[in-house]
Amino acid sequence: GEDVEQSLFLSVREGDSSVINCTYTDSSSTYLYWYKQEPGAGLQLLTYIFSNMDMKQDQRLTVLLNKKDKHLSLRIADTQTGDSAIYFCAVNAGNNRKLIWGLGTSLAVNP
Amino acid sequence: DGGITQSPKYLFRKEGQNVTLSCEQNLNHDAMYWYRQDPGQGLRLIYYSQIVNDFQKGDIAEGYSVSREKKESFPLTVTSAQKNPTAFYLCASRGGIANTGELFFGEGSRLTVL
Repeated sequence: GEDVEQSLFLSVREGDSSVINCTYTDSSSTYLYWYKQEPGAGLQLLTYIFSNMDMKQDQRLTVLLNKKDKHLSLRIADTQTGDSAIYFCAVNAGNNRKLIWGLGTSLAVNP
Repeated sequence: DGGITQSPKYLFRKEGQNVTLSCEQNLNHDAMYWYRQDPGQGLRLIYYSQIVNDFQKGDIAEGYSVSREKKESFPLTVTSAQKNPTAFYLCASRGGIANTGELFFGEGSRLTVL
């Protein structure tokens, strides 16, 4: 079945760049998303990329999509302590556009 | 402002009791979803509804029930049949097929069974 995988933890120093990686199995996915979850809160959409794009940049965020390898990454430039959160990768799959979720990557930013 | 409101934010329940979590949206979205989140397990889909008066089971529907009598509302009942109900519950909605398909989430409800 469809699957999305992410590494569970990432630790960076404040001011460095963070790169969170995600791999998926469904090659028919049309939209791929990155969500952020702060402790005890719901998920917020950070950004998304359409499958016919290779890259999307939005301020400090850069999304790279490699369709051949089914690999998606989120780069956060100049990472701040406020970026500490769980980051979820999600892709839509199948005719019903069901969202398949990764388990989330917990980003810790150290001062 | 438009959004999704979940209530209560924290809820305590004794074993054997049913409890209902509220989810209301004013985004005029057709589709609504309930997810359960446990540490290390990501999001698991409980139930979803794509239109009023219709809903489908997700991956872990056993021990849960829902209703969709109004477009704005999608309450989730955690029944006494749910063996391990302590979790963080998230409600979400999604707009029409013409959009990018992202989900909008509420702030979540944390249920603890004593």
